[in-house]
Amino acid sequence: GQQVMQIPQYQHVQEGEDFTTYCNSSTTLSNIQWYKQRPGGHPVFLIQLVKSGEVKKQKRLTFQFGEAKKNSSLHITATQTTDVGTYFCAANSGGGADGLTFGKGTHLIIQP
Amino acid sequence: NAGVTQTPKFRILKIGQSMTLQCAQDMNHNYMYWYRQDPGMGLKLIYYSVGAGITDKGEVPNGYNVSRSTTEDFPLRLELAAPSQTSVYFCASRAGDTQYFGPGTRLTVL
Repeated sequence: GQQVMQIPQYQHVQEGEDFTTYCNSSTTLSNIQWYKQRPGGHPVFLIQLVKSGEVKKQKRLTFQFGEAKKNSSLHITATQTTDVGTYFCAANSGGGADGLTFGKGTHLIIQP
Repeated sequence: NAGVTQTPKFRILKIGQSMTLQCAQDMNHNYMYWYRQDPGMGLKLIYYSVGAGITDKGEVPNGYNVSRSTTEDFPLRLELAAPSQTSVYFCASRAGDTQYFGPGTRLTVL
């Protein structure tokens, strides 16, 4: 089945530093979604990217979808303690109901 | 709206026991999903449903069963619990492109 690889697995940053997580697939994706999961919480939808080369911004978060639609990235500028959590990329599994295939996530740890 | 609700929040089972994880949504969504999340890992799709009376297998369906008698409810059944089923289980429903997740059920099988 479809797989999405996500790196790094863990990222320690000082508060105020930037953070980036990357998602890669061996196959062309129809779209990619990003979720955030706080410790002990549930995944919360952040955004969906559909178009080749698409870039979307949400305040300090910038999401990109590669030209070949095989990779994506999430960049956070000037991290804050509220950014702590695990960030997952997810792609449609290919079935009609669009169940998601998740990457393993990047755990963001912020040191004050 | 309460969104997606799940019960129980926590459960400990003995090997071989059975249980049903409950999931309900009050948003009138047709699409619903069950995922499991093992420690430090991403979510894996167990089963999904496109509407009342229609269910289908996801990536890891073995050891589980589902039913969808109403739009609101999508219970997940474990018949013979095994230690490999120790995980956090998330139910989700979908509107448009967005999946809305419930708070999860943390299950331990000993």
